[in-house]
Amino acid sequence: KAGVTQTPRYLIKTRGQQVTLSCSPISGHRSVSWYQQTPGQGLQFLFEYFSETQRNKGNFPGRFSGRQFSNSRSEMNVSTLELGDSALYLCASSLGGTTGETQYFGPGTRLLVL
Amino acid sequence: QQQVKQSPQSLIVQKGGIPIINCAYENTAFDYFPWYQQFPGKGPALLIAIRPDVSEKKEGRFTISFNKSAKQFSLHIMDSQPGDSATYFCAASDTGRRALTFGSGTRLQVQP
Repeated sequence: KAGVTQTPRYLIKTRGQQVTLSCSPISGHRSVSWYQQTPGQGLQFLFEYFSETQRNKGNFPGRFSGRQFSNSRSEMNVSTLELGDSALYLCASSLGGTTGETQYFGPGTRLLVL
Repeated sequence: QQQVKQSPQSLIVQKGGIPIINCAYENTAFDYFPWYQQFPGKGPALLIAIRPDVSEKKEGRFTISFNKSAKQFSLHIMDSQPGDSATYFCAASDTGRRALTFGSGTRLQVQP
């Protein structure tokens, strides 16, 4: 079974631009969560989608948004990029998103904002 | 109250040693405590997880000890190997939110 895939793996943008990252979960998984990883703040939860609906949201500004498609693939969008948005963005999938289910992480998309 | 505090920040042990990584939490609603291992350039991978109704869980060389009254849990790696050199994260979640709250990570180096 293929793991979680994320595209692109690396991205360079400039301040003010917007970016869209993509995540394909493990086949059969319906829950997709997004996390931001930075040296300073560590791993922080962005949001979780299940059956095309956002179920949970972390403490990030509205510039960060996401969506999920009927095939469970998910995208996250960051508008009006800031230097502080430079980070590794990780996507994780699980079967149904209940507590105690293993969340499988993808390799991440490394975003650099100049 | 959502924080999970992890220590130490870094750890160096000799091959065969038993590194111990500690985590503490405040939120009593947390009911699931996984540990993740992350290698450079990779996403975190689940190592082992525990529920608060169990005080200890072993899987291979990895053991979680859980102290519910102290709101602390720790990871022990038995007979550590150079291949265990990685960053380890503790995490916690509750049934209501499912989102993982991560500790700050421990960079482990196992010297041959």
